[in-house]
Amino acid sequence: AQKVTQAQTEISVVEKEDVTLDCVYETRDTTYYLFWYKQPPSGELVFLIRRNSFDEQNEISGRYSWNFQKSTSSFNFTITASQVVDSAVYFCALTPNAGNNRKLIWGLGTSLAVNP
Amino acid sequence: GAGVSQSPSNKVTEKGKDVELRCDPISGHTALYWYRQSLGQGLEFLIYFQGNSAPDKSGLPSDRFSAERTGGSVSTLTIQRTQQEDSAVYLCASTPTEYNSPLHFGNGTRLTVT
Repeated sequence: AQKVTQAQTEISVVEKEDVTLDCVYETRDTTYYLFWYKQPPSGELVFLIRRNSFDEQNEISGRYSWNFQKSTSSFNFTITASQVVDSAVYFCALTPNAGNNRKLIWGLGTSLAVNP
Repeated sequence: GAGVSQSPSNKVTEKGKDVELRCDPISGHTALYWYRQSLGQGLEFLIYFQGNSAPDKSGLPSDRFSAERTGGSVSTLTIQRTQQEDSAVYLCASTPTEYNSPLHFGNGTRLTVT
């Protein structure tokens, strides 16, 4: 089965706290791509990162970092020193095999509220 | 440059009426997608256009749903005889090519069927 699970439905933190959003996936394919998208209150999903299954290096982009672990089928997302502007729904997604946006499998999202 | 533009941003309609939702993709993007986002559910793929190829309609939930893309640019999603279960946010996205290119989304159209 192909599946993406974001177990945390809602998270609430206070500004400047670090927060990790979990993403666990299931796939039979050896080649696949993982994505994170952010959906702020305006509604427009914004691409954050893409990772292919052969690249397990963690990535850091400013306050954002991603931890990809094939051994646990997880692709977790950490925001360091969270800010109010980080408040959004975050989606993890998987596209199996060679990658095809029509086959994207989406998690249900984690709603993050960062309070001042 | 301009992003993906969708209109209207909100649409309230009575059950049984037809609605048209519009998407203007990023210039030069050959691939265009429609997704539906319902409360408590993930994004649901509806239909895909790539250049002049026949669209992939495999995600359309019923024959009341149809879409077209004119001149390889603007797309219209039409829902006939709307039902309350059609209430959702309809998102359009485009990409330069299909394979694993990150999606560029519009702000969506929130459809409410009363």
